[in-house]
Amino acid sequence: KQEVTQIPAALSVPEGENLVLNCSFTDSAIYNLQWFRQDPGKGLTSLLLIQSSQREQTSGRLNASLDKSSGRSTLYIAASQPGDSATYLCAVRRNYGQNFVFGPGTRLSVLP
Amino acid sequence: DTEVTQTPKHLVMGMTNKKSLKCEQHMGHRAMYWYKQKAKKPPELMFVYSYEKLSINESVPSRFSPECPNSSLLNLHLHALQPEDSALYLCASSQEQGARIDEQFFGPGTRLTVL
Repeated sequence: KQEVTQIPAALSVPEGENLVLNCSFTDSAIYNLQWFRQDPGKGLTSLLLIQSSQREQTSGRLNASLDKSSGRSTLYIAASQPGDSATYLCAVRRNYGQNFVFGPGTRLSVLP
Repeated sequence: DTEVTQTPKHLVMGMTNKKSLKCEQHMGHRAMYWYKQKAKKPPELMFVYSYEKLSINESVPSRFSPECPNSSLLNLHLHALQPEDSALYLCASSQEQGARIDEQFFGPGTRLTVL
């Protein structure tokens, strides 16, 4: 059974810092991995999707990497801003499966 | 248009009521999903529809009944719910072409409170 964990559970940083969020999964037979952000009481916003054949994806100040063999993905946020404050979730889709398994999330606070 | 819409935004119902949640997308996606999310927890998959057919039911109690009338609409019918069913209900969709499944797009959710 696929299990997904995220470290740290919560993170508080001053504005302008570069930061790394970690996502680990137990079964390397994945189809893709997706990073989301969620503001309190809201839906999920897709940030980046990495296919299993890819090593990284970039969008603006965000960069996500994937190492299937070690069961890890990282989300790098450059020059953090208070507007980045949210919960960040990673979700792993198994091969040819239709269901994602979500990690518990990292709650990020960026202080002005 | 990468939007998934959900109605209503908020719903309060008694344990004897019957209500429905609605979800709509116009991205041409052929897979649609219902998730349940409790406070400070990740979303939990409930149902998946693929080409309007139910493909995954994650052992959800029968008081939740999904329906996919067409490729753009997804409903969740609620009946005789319990207070512990109070949660944020999220709808999502994704493109699906054979074995290729792309990223999921989520709606804003319906906040359900069962009294």
